[in-house]
Amino acid sequence: QVQLVQSGAEVKKPGSSVKVSCKASGGTFSSYAISWVRQAPGQGLEWMGGIIPIFDTTNYAQKFQGRVTITADEFTSTAYMELSSLRSEDTAVYYCARDPVNTMVQGVIVFFHHWGQGTLVTVSS
Amino acid sequence: QSALTQPASVSGSPGQSITISCTGTSSDVGGYNYVSWYQQHPDKAPKLLIYDVSNRPSGVSNRFSGSKSGNTASLTISGLQAEDEADYYCSSFTTSSSYVVFGGGTKLTVL
Repeated sequence: QVQLVQSGAEVKKPGSSVKVSCKASGGTFSSYAISWVRQAPGQGLEWMGGIIPIFDTTNYAQKFQGRVTITADEFTSTAYMELSSLRSEDTAVYYCARDPVNTMVQGVIVFFHHWGQGTLVTVSS
Repeated sequence: QSALTQPASVSGSPGQSITISCTGTSSDVGGYNYVSWYQQHPDKAPKLLIYDVSNRPSGVSNRFSGSKSGNTASLTISGLQAEDEADYYCSSFTTSSSYVVFGGGTKLTVL
């Protein structure tokens, strides 16, 4: 059974960085891609990017290019999303999602079946 | 402003059917059969209901169905139940630099 467990809530100052982890269990880690989606309070979902660990490739939404870094550690079956230069608008719940690599389209996962529980990141001075 | 347009709210009575629309462009919904739909209850992670326009993952009720015509995709929920009250989001692959775009979400109220 696929399970994703994310790290706990964070409170950060504007201008700082946050790194959220997503530990996967069930299945072979390298057979899956990890995506990150965020949701600001009372708002909709927003795709940030993803990583395919077996190919060590990443894709990022243009909006976050240069500010987000997604990595994966196959030894611990854990993916990470680091967002820098935080501002108040980055206050959101950050979700990881995991899907088989064979569902990719042009190197990107386009639907998200298994989700983590979400991590609230609050950016406040 | 979201890339895909959904109605802010829809409502229906138990047992009825409702349809939620999701309108995009030829660069996303209209150009590819990679539309998916998600259900989200308050303070919960989204749940995948439909992928590739009309496919249901294992375990999802057949009361949920998806379709597409031109640049508009639709989610139909038949035999409405109280537990269907939730927010619903569509998403699509896109040729823009964002790769994946979501709709703004639709709040379903079961009267």
